[in-house]
Amino acid sequence: QSALTQPASVSGSPGQSITISCTGTSSDVGSYNLVSWYQQHPGKAPKLMIYEVSKRPSGVSNRFSGSKSGNTASLTISGLQAEDEADYYCCSYAGSSTFEMVFGGGTKLTVL
Amino acid sequence: QVQLVQSGAEVKKPGASVKVSCKASGYTFTSYGISWVRQAPGQGLEWMGWISAYNGNTNYAQKLQGRVTMTTDTSTSTAYMELRSLRSDDTAVYYCARDNPYQVGSNYAYWGQGTLVTVSS
Repeated sequence: QSALTQPASVSGSPGQSITISCTGTSSDVGSYNLVSWYQQHPGKAPKLMIYEVSKRPSGVSNRFSGSKSGNTASLTISGLQAEDEADYYCCSYAGSSTFEMVFGGGTKLTVL
Repeated sequence: QVQLVQSGAEVKKPGASVKVSCKASGYTFTSYGISWVRQAPGQGLEWMGWISAYNGNTNYAQKLQGRVTMTTDTSTSTAYMELRSLRSDDTAVYYCARDNPYQVGSNYAYWGQGTLVTVSS
């Protein structure tokens, strides 16, 4: 199962908005609303930020939002803050033929 | 509160096996599943597989089929991941995460702290 495609890095200034894309195929992202996003700070376990494409877990800031169009999912962070600097990973169900999950390669967000 | 506490770091030689544990607390263990995710140094996350603590069903990543076995001990609310025939590229931090009890496809709201497995001669 091939990894989902994310940009290696994105950056933005405090207060700005950024969007991270996650491109899969019609067998994973395009077929299921089972895309989630994780934030990972160095040396820490990942933290769930978005699930089922656009749902936010309790306690996650509403500055984080998710969407999907076709085979591409997106994570948008508005009002960038210094603490948002981290690695971000998307994840999708990869289909009922394989019963696997697949992660994206990760995107390093730098807050300038 | 939900907690997943993993076993400590391991150093193994190529060809050996490793078994990592993940002890759950703060919820009914048999009402969920556990997925395992690993992360090689400086690399991204890789899904390894899932086990249902409800009925013991498993799904493994195709690339690990034949080398990985996931089990649970419901009497101690502990999940285990055993990886055999270790290679240097198995060096990674291994995480457990709480998952759906019925099938693969959920999201991971709770994670263990990670276990570093180093494979080196």
